[in-house]
Amino acid sequence: ELKVEQNPLFLSMQEGKNYTIYCNYSTTSDRLYWYRQDPGKSLESLFVLLSNGAVKQEGRLMASLDTKARLSTLHITAAVHDLSATYFCAVYLSSGSRLTFGEGTQLTVNP
Amino acid sequence: NAGVTQTPKFQVLKTGQSMTLQCAQDMNHNSMYWYRQDPGMGLRLIYYSASEGTTDKGEVPNGYNVSRLNKREFSLRLESAAPSQTSVYFCASSKYAQRGASTDTQYFGPGTRLTVL
Repeated sequence: ELKVEQNPLFLSMQEGKNYTIYCNYSTTSDRLYWYRQDPGKSLESLFVLLSNGAVKQEGRLMASLDTKARLSTLHITAAVHDLSATYFCAVYLSSGSRLTFGEGTQLTVNP
Repeated sequence: NAGVTQTPKFQVLKTGQSMTLQCAQDMNHNSMYWYRQDPGMGLRLIYYSASEGTTDKGEVPNGYNVSRLNKREFSLRLESAAPSQTSVYFCASSKYAQRGASTDTQYFGPGTRLTVL
């Protein structure tokens, strides 16, 4: 059974600081997704990472994938308040043809 | 282009009542999904439909049934609601069932907030 674990689950940081969210998964997979969810809203796709060493960047967010370590990171650079949201990683298991989500990391960026 | 739509947005049921959650997508996607979201547990897959005419169980199917009415619509039915089914339900769709090397992603609807008393 595929398990996906994120840490930290809660993150409070100051504007301008850097931080990293980690996503570990238990079974070999060749695809990993990051989603963002604002309070009371739906999920929005941020990144799709397809291969070992893949790195994607959008604004102040950068995601990477290490398939050998079964680890993905979401790095936040110089955080701003608008980044406050819950971030989910989701791992694709080809045998099940579906995504398994982590518990989510609730990020709060304080002025 | 509305993307993925869900009805209703909010619903309160009494234990034992039944209801159907509706989902529709206008992106010509082949695959559709139903998830539930509970605090601290991320999203868990209830059922999915890889293509029109097929449905499969996900991680937490007990107490639910689904119907893939056509390519656009995928409904979720609670036959006899229980308080444990209080949750936020999300429908999602993707072009394919994410087989093969693809950047295909799932697009989510706005959610239905269900309370079972």
